[in-house]
This record gives sequence, C-alpha cells and structure tokens, in this order.
Amino acid sequence: QSVLTQPPSASGTPGQRVSISCSGSSSNIGSNYVYWYQQLPGTAPKLLIYRTNQRPSGVPDRFSGSKSGTSASLAISGLRSEDEADYYCATWDDSLSDLVFGGGTKLTAL
Amino acid sequence: QVQLQESGPGLVKPSQTLSLICTVSGGSVSSGSYYWGWIRQPAGKGLEWIGRIYTSGSTNYNPSLKSRVTISVDTSKNQFSLKLRSVTAADTAMYYCARGIAADGMDVWGQGTTVTVSS
Repeated sequence: QSVLTQPPSASGTPGQRVSISCSGSSSNIGSNYVYWYQQLPGTAPKLLIYRTNQRPSGVPDRFSGSKSGTSASLAISGLRSEDEADYYCATWDDSLSDLVFGGGTKLTAL
Repeated sequence: QVQLQESGPGLVKPSQTLSLICTVSGGSVSSGSYYWGWIRQPAGKGLEWIGRIYTSGSTNYNPSLKSRVTISVDTSKNQFSLKLRSVTAADTAMYYCARGIAADGMDVWGQGTTVTVSS
C-alpha cells in the first residue's frame, strides 16, 4: 500500500466543485511540498500543482491545491468532462529518503 | 521546448538487466538546476518513483530498488539512462523518464515505454 492515502475514486457532475484528498504523515506531507499530477487515459502524467498550491503556466485556475497538517487536497471547480483522469499526489518522505506517490484517484464526471 | 523520449528493449528475460535511455531534445541534459528521473507504472496500477540524477551527478534512488538501480547521464549524447539489474516479472511496467526542477516538481515527461519481463 502507498505511503500517501488517496480515495480510489471521486465523481461529480459538470460544473460542480470536487475535492480529492491525500493523507500522509509528519515525515512527508507534514514537512514538505505536495505535488499533484493528472494522468489522462493512455497518456503520461502531467504536473498540475507544485509547491503545494502553485500552478504551472497553462494549468487553468479551476485547479487549486492546499495543505493542512499532514493532509493535502486538490480542488477542481467547474468540473468538466475533460477533467476525467487519474490524479496522483506526491511528496518527499524524510524518513524513507524517497519521493512517494499516493495510490491515485480516478475522477469521473457524471 | 524540452522533449523527452524513452527507448530500449520492450522484452527482458528474468534475471537480466533492463536498460533504458531517455533522449533529451530542445535543451541540454547538463544545464540548469534540473534533475532527470525515472518513474514506472505497472498496468492498471499507480506510479512508483525509481530515482533521479542531478546535473551535478548526485543521485537519489527508491530505497526498495536501490540495490539494483543505476541512473547515469551521457552529456555527449544528451541522454540519461536507467539500468535495473536482476529483473523479475514484478518489474514489468510502463517506464517514464521526466525532468524535474528542484522543488518545482517534474514538469516534462516522456511518453513512456512498456517493458515486459518474461522468458
């Protein structure tokens, strides 16, 4: 099982706000930046959020990241059908000296 | 615009060494404060970090793979490579190479290459 815990699935209707959680510990999320990657079906992952709440250029401001204690969240406002993808959180783990990923969350637009 | 392309055998026999190359175009593998990493994904499963190499030459490896992994850079060919020794069926996966920038995450990814370990 992954060091970072994500719900296996999430869903919402178009236009809705959806949130995906990522739970960790003091040695990873609690003390390091969090990253979020979007993986559309059949494609390579794409950086969506870096340094916990920063968006690379070209990523819509509908996507936002946050962190509180040892948990992080990715929020998607105004859900669109093209947002259907797998979403992964990632961070460095100081105890493992390893970059760790969450197990991924499959987002469905109903 | 930097692009990455993985290449290597799609089939490797058990106990042998998996060798992959990532060719960098549109930029130099030896410039800037970048690192060059490898990530893998078994079919239908999540992402697993393998390791990375900085332009300085320093490396970080996944502790669970560290004894079998070597990542190196060939500046003359603008490539970096992955070697994974003593492979088993559990190493069958899509392998991605990626560029990272310090604390800014991995912003450029290759399209991935599938490696199957089977006799």
